[in-house]
Amino acid sequence: GEDVEQSLFLSVREGDSSVINCTYTDSSSTYLYWYKQEPGAGLQLLTYIFSNMDMKQDQRLTVLLNKKDKHLSLRIADTQTGDSAIYFCAEKMDSSYKLIFGSGTRLLVRP
Amino acid sequence: DTAVSQTPKYLVTQMGNDKSIKCEQNLGHDTMYWYKQDSKKFLKIMFSYNNKELIINETVPNRFSPKSPDKAHLNLHINSLELGDSAVYFCASTTAGVGYTFGSGTRLTVV
Repeated sequence: GEDVEQSLFLSVREGDSSVINCTYTDSSSTYLYWYKQEPGAGLQLLTYIFSNMDMKQDQRLTVLLNKKDKHLSLRIADTQTGDSAIYFCAEKMDSSYKLIFGSGTRLLVRP
Repeated sequence: DTAVSQTPKYLVTQMGNDKSIKCEQNLGHDTMYWYKQDSKKFLKIMFSYNNKELIINETVPNRFSPKSPDKAHLNLHINSLELGDSAVYFCASTTAGVGYTFGSGTRLTVV
């Protein structure tokens, strides 16, 4: 089936790490993505991971993939107020051109 | 040098009217999409074209008609607009699903 789930809200203090979690149901997913959406703006691709990888690091961002549990996470180190946004995880299935999105996690960074 | 551009950015119109949203990408991608984001920020795929051929047509009222004159353009025409059509519509493009690039969105308000 096509179902991607995320928690709706996360609040952290500036300078702390943020971890946003995502679960998906389709084991044939080939690529998993993280997008950021700031208020009134479009979707910005942050990073993606191929399904045969366990981890990907890109500056302050670390993506962890547990394919057995169908669990994806995004860790933001040293979270800044500019990181406040909605974060969407999304999966692309092998047999489809579709990109299926989670419901988004609203990250609030407190000064 | 915008990668995926949509016009207009904002559209306010009365119920019953017919309107079009245009999308163009200069990335050389062969697949383009329309997504709808509702008031709860949930993103749902509507249509996809690959090299001018319709490949995804989700359960969308037939008042919505996509048109792709060439692989760089995907337009969305909506007939007999209803209040429930109010949303943000995003165009996106990709090649082989490696990275999806989104436009900045068109906020449609039906009054």
